[in-house]
Amino acid sequence: KAGVTQTPRYLIKTRGQQVTLSCSPISGHRSVSWYQQTPGQGLQFLFEYFSETQRNKGNFPGRFSGRQFSNSRSEMNVSTLELGDSALYLCASSFSGKLNRYGYTFGSGTRLTVV
Amino acid sequence: TQLLEQSPQFLSIQEGENLTVYCNSSSVFSSLQWYRQEPGEGPVLLVTVVTGGEVKKLKRLTFQFGDARKDSSLHITAAQPGDTGLYLCAGAQNAGNMLTFGGGTRLMVKP
Repeated sequence: KAGVTQTPRYLIKTRGQQVTLSCSPISGHRSVSWYQQTPGQGLQFLFEYFSETQRNKGNFPGRFSGRQFSNSRSEMNVSTLELGDSALYLCASSFSGKLNRYGYTFGSGTRLTVV
Repeated sequence: TQLLEQSPQFLSIQEGENLTVYCNSSSVFSSLQWYRQEPGEGPVLLVTVVTGGEVKKLKRLTFQFGDARKDSSLHITAAQPGDTGLYLCAGAQNAGNMLTFGGGTRLMVKP
């Protein structure tokens, strides 16, 4: 079965712009989580959606937002981009969001560069 | 401050050597997972450990969860160049629907 698909793979944006990233989870998976990965901070949790509802949110400013559609596809948006937002954004899907047994399947990520 | 501390951060060894990566925390986790990430790709799940003291083996990789469920280790026997990558531990707490990641161990195995 198809894996987790993230689009686009690469993005270059200018400070102050906004950006939308897309994630299609594995078919049948209802939980989608987003992580930011940077060399300095590693992987940091952004938010998790399950059945179109945000269940958890990490410690990021309100410029970071997301949503999930009825087909479980998810988007995340970053407004008023800052240089420090340059990172690899990873989407992870799981069947129920209960990670104690099955873990995540990650996409290949979207590499965002803010100039 | 990382909730999960991984050590070492970097490891460069020769093919055939053994190595151990450690993941430590002062917090208790309901489960702990290990992932491997290659450049330009997302992390790939290697194993999930749930029970304190649990040991799991995946070919040449041995994973152990501490008795108190606060720490874990990954041991690789006879490392091969194909083992090169970033190894990440990640812990789930409570309901287990989010993970806290360690800082990662970047392993290079030279032929």
